[in-house]
Amino acid sequence: GQQLNQSPQSMFIQEGEDVSMNCTSSSIFNTWLWYKQEPGEGPVLLIALYKAGELTSNGRLTAQFGITRKDSFLNISASIPSDVGIYFCAGLKGSNYKLTFGKGTLLTVNP
Amino acid sequence: DVKVTQSSRYLVKRTGEKVFLECVQDMDHENMFWYRQDPGLGLRLIYFSYDVKMKEKGDIPEGYSVSREKKERFSLILESASTNQTSMYLCASRTGGPGTGELFFGEGSRLTVL
Repeated sequence: GQQLNQSPQSMFIQEGEDVSMNCTSSSIFNTWLWYKQEPGEGPVLLIALYKAGELTSNGRLTAQFGITRKDSFLNISASIPSDVGIYFCAGLKGSNYKLTFGKGTLLTVNP
Repeated sequence: DVKVTQSSRYLVKRTGEKVFLECVQDMDHENMFWYRQDPGLGLRLIYFSYDVKMKEKGDIPEGYSVSREKKERFSLILESASTNQTSMYLCASRTGGPGTGELFFGEGSRLTVL
C-alpha cells in the first residue's frame, strides 16, 4: 500500500536541542496523526490534526497540518533523553477507514 | 483513557501450529485493525473491521484470518504458522466513519515462529 514520505529517517541530537521532522504525500489527507513508539511497545498517539493550517501543541511537541493538506510537521523543543523513540506520521483520506503511515523517524538524544 | 489490550505480549510457536491473537478495546469503537510491523517495512495492514461481524482485507491478508463476533473484540488467526510470520503484531481501534477519528494501538504481541 501507499506510504507517506517521512524525513529524516533518523536523528542523533544533544539534549536541549530542538527537533523537526515532516511527512509529505502526493495525495490530500483529511486527518494527520503523530505517534511515538518506544522499543517493544505499541505506538502512542501524540497529536491529531483535522484542519489545514492547524497548529496544535502537546507539551513540548507542536504539530502542524500543512496548508496544501499534503504534508505535516512535528517539532520537539528542548529535547530530553526520554524523547528517544520512533516517531510516525499517519494520514487519513476522506473516503477511507485505513490510515497511511510514514516509515518513522528514529530519534536518539545524547544526554 | 482509551485502552486496547492484546492478550499476549510474547508468544513462541512452532511451524504449522494454529495461533490466536486476541484484542479487546474498552471504548465502544466501531473500527478495529490488525497490523504487523517489521524492520524496514513499517506498519502493514492485515485486516480491519468497521463493524461487528464485518471484515475487510488489508494489504497483506494472505495466511491470516480474523473474527469479530463482539464489538469490543477482534481476533487474528494464523491457521498454520510459518516462519515468515515472525513479527510484531499490533491491534488498533478507532471510532468514527471514513476520514475521521484517531487510531489507538495496543502494546503489541511479539510472535516468534520456529
